[in-house]
Amino acid sequence: SYGLSQPPSVSVSPGQTASISCSGNKLGDKYASWYQQKPGQSPVLVIYEDMKRPSGIPERFSGSNSGNTATLTISGTQVMDEADYYCQAWDSSTAVFGGGTTLTVL
Amino acid sequence: EVQLVQSGAEVKKPGESLRISCKSSGYRFTAYWITWVRQMPGKGLEWMGRIDPSDSYTNYSPSFQGHVTISADKSITTAYLQWSSLKASDTAMYYCARQTTINSFYFDFWGQGSLVTVSS
Repeated sequence: SYGLSQPPSVSVSPGQTASISCSGNKLGDKYASWYQQKPGQSPVLVIYEDMKRPSGIPERFSGSNSGNTATLTISGTQVMDEADYYCQAWDSSTAVFGGGTTLTVL
Repeated sequence: EVQLVQSGAEVKKPGESLRISCKSSGYRFTAYWITWVRQMPGKGLEWMGRIDPSDSYTNYSPSFQGHVTISADKSITTAYLQWSSLKASDTAMYYCARQTTINSFYFDFWGQGSLVTVSS
């Protein structure tokens, strides 16, 4: 079955750029989405179709997808961005989530 | 305003049945699919399956096929997730989400989650 791999954790200082990777076989041939989940809250869509931002998501969130890797980039990271982030793609009518990355801002 | 409101927390015993709900409002219910996602305690997100409310067509993750049933009642814009015989391993938070159907499929609005606890 198809799998998406993410680093378990990423740390960044406030104001710096955070990059979270998501790897999967020929992921660049699929659309990737990213979801943010803060403790005790429901997931929130932050990027869809590789690089598009839903209404209300700050411009500091951006995405890219090429080859086998999709990347979520947060520029000028803020303390409020501390959360778990999940990538997601589709394979044969089945949605697949990455294992999630905990972003720590300190 | 798009809203997905889920039913409340449940505590059940192994072997019992259960149905949880997800009430949608603020958009045309039959224009989007509803997907269900499991999150076990301290773990990541797992896609369970989805339903097209317009015709109740479903497809399931192989991991959940045969273990749960997804249904919908478009007359009351509500989707359901049900179990016929719960196990302790079904203890988790369950989320419903609206799934887009044009060009690409992503989950743009989520319910608040329904916590299911299965314990003897």
